[in-house]
Amino acid sequence: GAVVSQHPSWVICKSGTSVKIECRSLDFQATTMFWYRQFPKQSLMLMATSNEGSKATYEQGVEKDKFLINHASLTLSTLTVTSAHPEDSSFYICSATSGTGGLREQYFGPGTRLTVT
Amino acid sequence: DAKTTQPTSMDCAEGRAANLPCNHSTISGNEYVYWYRQIHSQGPQYIIHGLKNNETNEMASLIITEDRKSSTLILPHATLRDTAVYYCIVRVAYGGDMRFGAGTRLTVKP
Repeated sequence: GAVVSQHPSWVICKSGTSVKIECRSLDFQATTMFWYRQFPKQSLMLMATSNEGSKATYEQGVEKDKFLINHASLTLSTLTVTSAHPEDSSFYICSATSGTGGLREQYFGPGTRLTVT
Repeated sequence: DAKTTQPTSMDCAEGRAANLPCNHSTISGNEYVYWYRQIHSQGPQYIIHGLKNNETNEMASLIITEDRKSSTLILPHATLRDTAVYYCIVRVAYGGDMRFGAGTRLTVKP
């Protein structure tokens, strides 16, 4: 199956700093990528959807100026958490899908655990 | 609004079949039923999907009722490594986003 990677797998940063998380599709071109976050003992919550070359579409309640998403190529999307605070500590997961129309499968990355101190 | 309803948790004995139910009474004609699972601190893993016919692959079987309002995921011979949270998701065919409910926490016991 298709492979999606994330880097880093875990990161610790200080409050007020920014951190960038990369999501790559390794063996296919991802026309659409999704970003989720997951708090402990909770389900995955969709944060935003990004199409290559377009601005991301954010879910209600997600601050677009805080969570910057760039999908500049068909194999890479980045999520930057700006001015991170302890409440942003979470497990961030990306997924990617390819093609247009028809049944497009969605492949998930392994996740990035962010801890803000 | 949740599109699917699943039991919060289930236990299964190792080596026995695990049957995980899912209700999706408001499913539309163009929506597929997907099953994913998430082992602790990992990304979701695809298991199987179907539209209206029963499906089987190397991991599991998916049984969808004739009216498509519910389905059951069957792991034929559960192992300890199948302990995970299992998510049932309905999604349109042309690639709409995956929205996760609470899922079922399956614990396989020796």
